Amino acid sequence: QKEVEQDPGPLSVPEGAIVSLNCTYSNSAFQYFMWYRQYSRKGPELLMYTYSSGNKEDGRFTAQVDKSSKYISLFIRDSQPSDSATYLCAMLAGGTSYGKLTFGQGTILTVHP
Amino acid sequence: EPEVTQTPSHQVTQMGQEVILRCVPISNHLYFYWYRQILGQKVEFLVSFYNNEISEKSEIFDDQFSVERPDGSNFTLKIRSTKLEDSAMYFCASMIQGGRGEKLFFGSGTQLSVL
Repeated sequence: QKEVEQDPGPLSVPEGAIVSLNCTYSNSAFQYFMWYRQYSRKGPELLMYTYSSGNKEDGRFTAQVDKSSKYISLFIRDSQPSDSATYLCAMLAGGTSYGKLTFGQGTILTVHP
Repeated sequence: EPEVTQTPSHQVTQMGQEVILRCVPISNHLYFYWYRQILGQKVEFLVSFYNNEISEKSEIFDDQFSVERPDGSNFTLKIRSTKLEDSAMYFCASMIQGGRGEKLFFGSGTQLSVL
C-alpha cells in the first residue's frame, strides 16, 4: 500500500464550482498536513497547512483532516480559471527531518470559464 | 518577496557526465533540501542539509549524489555520473529554523535531461 494516495484526475469543472480534492494515507506517524499548488514548470507553492483533525479555512480554501480515517481534503469554493493547476497533498511525520515531506501524486485541476 | 532561486532552469547532459545543479536559498534560512520529480510521478525527497552536513537522505540519494554549501549563499547538488533515469525536475527548498514543513519554500526547479 502506498504511503500517500491521491487521485490524479484530471478534474475539469466550470467556473464557480466547488472543488473537492482528497488524499488518503497509511502511515500513522504523519502529523502535519499540507496542500501545495503547482503551476506548470514551477515549484510547489504552499496553500494550506494543518496539524490537527478538523477544518481550517483561508479565504476560498478549506483544508479538512480526519486522522481517525487517515483522510485529508481540500475544498475550493467559487473556483476560478486561475485555480487551474496541479494540487499536491503532502505530509510530514513527527520526529523526522522537518522538511522531509511525502507527497501525493497530485491532482490536475482545470477550471473553465 | 524572498524566493529560492535555481539555475539553470534547464540542463541537458550526456549519460555519464557530471552535473551540478545550483540553488540560492532564502538568506536567513538554515535548512536546505533537494527534491526531484520524474515526469508524471510524485515529488520525492532526496536529501536534507543542516549545519553543513546531511541530516537525512532517501534511498535514491546514493553515492552518485552529493550536496555542498560552498559559501554562505549557494547550495548545490552534484550528480557524478548521470544515468538516463536521473532525468527529472530537481527542486531545491529551504526553511527557516523552527518550521515544520509549513515554512518550506521551493524554487522553480531545474529540468535535467540526460541523453
